[in-house]
Formats: sequence, structure tokens, C-alpha cells
Amino acid sequence: AQSVTQLDSQVPVFEEAPVELRCNYSSSVSVYLFWYVQYPNQGLQLLLKYLSGSTLVKGINGFEAEFNKSQTSFHLRKPSVHISDTAEYFCAVKGGGSEKLVFGKGTKLTVNP
Amino acid sequence: GAVVSQHPSWVICKSGTSVKIECRSLDFQATTMFWYRQFPKQSLMLMATSNEGSKATYEQGVEKDKFLINHASLTLSTLTVTSAHPEDSSFYICSASPLAGGADTQYFGPGTRLTVL
Repeated sequence: AQSVTQLDSQVPVFEEAPVELRCNYSSSVSVYLFWYVQYPNQGLQLLLKYLSGSTLVKGINGFEAEFNKSQTSFHLRKPSVHISDTAEYFCAVKGGGSEKLVFGKGTKLTVNP
Repeated sequence: GAVVSQHPSWVICKSGTSVKIECRSLDFQATTMFWYRQFPKQSLMLMATSNEGSKATYEQGVEKDKFLINHASLTLSTLTVTSAHPEDSSFYICSASPLAGGADTQYFGPGTRLTVL
């Protein structure tokens, strides 16, 4: 079975600063990895996904993530954040032929002026 | 593209009544739809997986007689919370996987907030 650990429950940063949201996963099979963003009282929006190929994945809104198989990590990064990036971010894994997404507990990113 | 809608966006009901939530894929056909529940400040917990024309598969601990799921077509799934109680109050989110291509990805609806008084 797969599991996901998001190491930080809250990350406060100042506007225009870089940010990294950490995600580690465990799985005995090859996986697909995802980052979703959730704004207050809304559903989830896909930021980016890793299926195969290049380990550096670029997504929407200037976010990118790097798949590191040896460290079983898929950290999300943005070089310069905006106030509008304030939201909850979820890392998720899918693998072993399963249809199911397994989510981490989420990281609340707060961007301060 | 890949838009999923939910209706209603919020609902308040009395204890003991039943509530139906609709999930629609607006611009694609979905082989599979998923229903999640999210408690405040927590992650999404998968409740069940439904495939068009077949019975839903419920996760361990989810009462299938309480949370009735119907996947009547490739664009519509419904979740009915029967005899709702205050502990059923939560944010319910559906997602859908496309029929062709991109089956690895789930597209999420905006969620339905249920409050049971």
C-alpha cells in the first residue's frame, strides 16, 4: 500500500520569497505522483503530476516539482510566491495498478506581504 | 476542459432527513468517479469508487447503506446521505477520471458542504 507524508503542516513565507513544500511517499511499486491545491471552500485543482520521464515536472502558476526515486520524495517548489498562492497544498500518490489516490495531510501555505 | 461540477454547493438539513449530492463531468465522459469526505483542516478520505453501471466499491469503515452511490451515466454520479445526523456534517468532494486518455488523473469538483442540524 502507498502512503504519503507531508512534512510540514504549515509554511509561512513572505511575498516574493522562494518556497519548498516537502512530500515523501512510500510504495513497493512504481507510482504516479501529484500535487493539488485547494483554496478555501473549494475543490482541488491539479498543479502538476509525475507519470514518467523527466524527473523535473513543471506545473501551473509557476510551480515545479522534482521526483527523486532514491529519496522517495516529490517536493514542490516555487521561486517567488504571491499572496494569491495562499492555500492548502496536497501531495498524492497512485500506484500498483490501483485507481485510488492516497493523499497526504496537506500543507497550509500562507504568503504574507 | 476537464470540468467537474457538484450540486448543491452547500446544504443544511435536519437530522433524520436524506440529502442527495450530484457530481457531473461537464466536458468529458468519466469511467470512474470517486467520492471523498474532508473534515475541517484535514485531508481527503476516500469513501467509495463508482463505475458507470456497476455497484460502488466502498472503503473500509464506510457504511454503504448510509452513503448510497449511484453512477447512472458516464457523466453523472450521485451520493445520497440517508438519515443524516450531525456527525455526517462535512465537506464532500467528488472526482472523475476521463474515459479516454488521462486516466491517471482525477479531476475534482468544487465540493458540497453538508451541515446537519
